[in-house]
Amino acid sequence: ETGVTQSPTHLIKTRGQQVTLRCSSQSGHNTVSWYQQALGQGPQFIFQYYREEENGRGNFPPRFSGLQFPNYSSELNVNALELDDSALYLCASNKGQKNYNEQFFGPGTRLTVL
Amino acid sequence: AQSVTQLGSHVSVSEGALVLLRCNYSSSVPPYLFWYVQYPNQGLQLLLKYTTGATLVKGINGFEAEFKKSETSFHLTKPSAHMSDAAEYFCAVSDSDNNDMRFGAGTRLTVKP
Repeated sequence: ETGVTQSPTHLIKTRGQQVTLRCSSQSGHNTVSWYQQALGQGPQFIFQYYREEENGRGNFPPRFSGLQFPNYSSELNVNALELDDSALYLCASNKGQKNYNEQFFGPGTRLTVL
Repeated sequence: AQSVTQLGSHVSVSEGALVLLRCNYSSSVPPYLFWYVQYPNQGLQLLLKYTTGATLVKGINGFEAEFKKSETSFHLTKPSAHMSDAAEYFCAVSDSDNNDMRFGAGTRLTVKP
């Protein structure tokens, strides 16, 4: 059983640029959630996708957007990057629509914005 | 909206000693509560969760937590610490109304030989 994978592992961008992060969910999982984890803090919920539809969103601006594909993999897009967007971005997948089902996390993508 | 407070950003124990990591939550509806562990350069791994039923929840690696509604707490314990328990621990709360899982700021556990 393949776990949650994320790419790339690390990424360096400059302010104002756009970035796309990718996540492959665990086999059999149809829900993907994205989190931002700033240094020294807990993860913050960005949004969740269930069967290709957004199924909940945290307190993040519209320049954070996402997609889920028919194979349940997902992308996180961030436009107009700001310095404060530097963080570890975590993807998690689970079965079903609710996140009280166990979420399995990927290792994350570390984004640095200069 | 629900929230979580973890008391103590750093906890240090000796190997073999009791581990106690504190978590208090706020939620207007019955909560779902979770403890996750994060090792360096890795994602989060679920230790245990409380949804309904028995208030004492047993998890992996010998950890357990007790849901106390009257105290709005969900503290994590382990009777005897191992060196391999050194990691960052996160308490999280969610509810049935939405999928916005809220994490605490984390507690870094150090285990001394």
